[in-house]
Amino acid sequence: DAGVTQSPTHLIKTRGQHVTLRCSPISGHKSVSWYQQVLGQGPQFIFQYYEKEERGRGNFPDRFSARQFPNYSSELNVNALLLGDSALYLCASSQRRAGDYPDTQYFGPGTRLTVL
Amino acid sequence: AQKVTQAQTEISVVEKEDVTLDCVYETRDTTYYLFWYKQPPSGELVFLIRRNSFDEQNEISGRYSWNFQKSTSSFNFTITASQVVDSAVYFCALSERSGGSNYKLTFGKGTLLTVNP
Repeated sequence: DAGVTQSPTHLIKTRGQHVTLRCSPISGHKSVSWYQQVLGQGPQFIFQYYEKEERGRGNFPDRFSARQFPNYSSELNVNALLLGDSALYLCASSQRRAGDYPDTQYFGPGTRLTVL
Repeated sequence: AQKVTQAQTEISVVEKEDVTLDCVYETRDTTYYLFWYKQPPSGELVFLIRRNSFDEQNEISGRYSWNFQKSTSSFNFTITASQVVDSAVYFCALSERSGGSNYKLTFGKGTLLTVNP
């Protein structure tokens, strides 16, 4: 079975531009989360989506937005790029089974964004 | 707020040595889940283990073992007879509610393990 896929693999943008990153979850997984990983740090939570609705948001500015589509794939959008947005952006999917406990999140290979 | 501390930034060992990666966490939740992930140079985070706070039994999977001690808020990871392919950054993570019955992961800063031949 295919794992989580992300596109593009690498991206170079200049300050002030806009970027869209894409993620396709593992088949059967309904929840998608986005994380930002700056070099030398652990991933930081940005968003979580389930059933096309935002279910959680990390401490990121409004320049960051996301959405989830009926096929459970997701996009992360970042407006007015800053140098500090340079990072590896990771997408994770989980089954989101019934019950009040966390499912295991499985990560994609990430998109490496460089802002010049 | 929850916190995960991986005090070892880098560890270097020679092949076949045993190595333990430390993880200490802080949470006010009585029920929580802990995870370990491996990140090889390719960048993809690979899931290794998930452990809930009810179960303090240690777990072994091949050369990997995990020691969960609630009394010291630690969830340490040991690789026995390390191999060059074990070289990677290893992250410990703690689940935290992101809203309703949804959860996010809070990660430590990771430990870079280098296994030399």
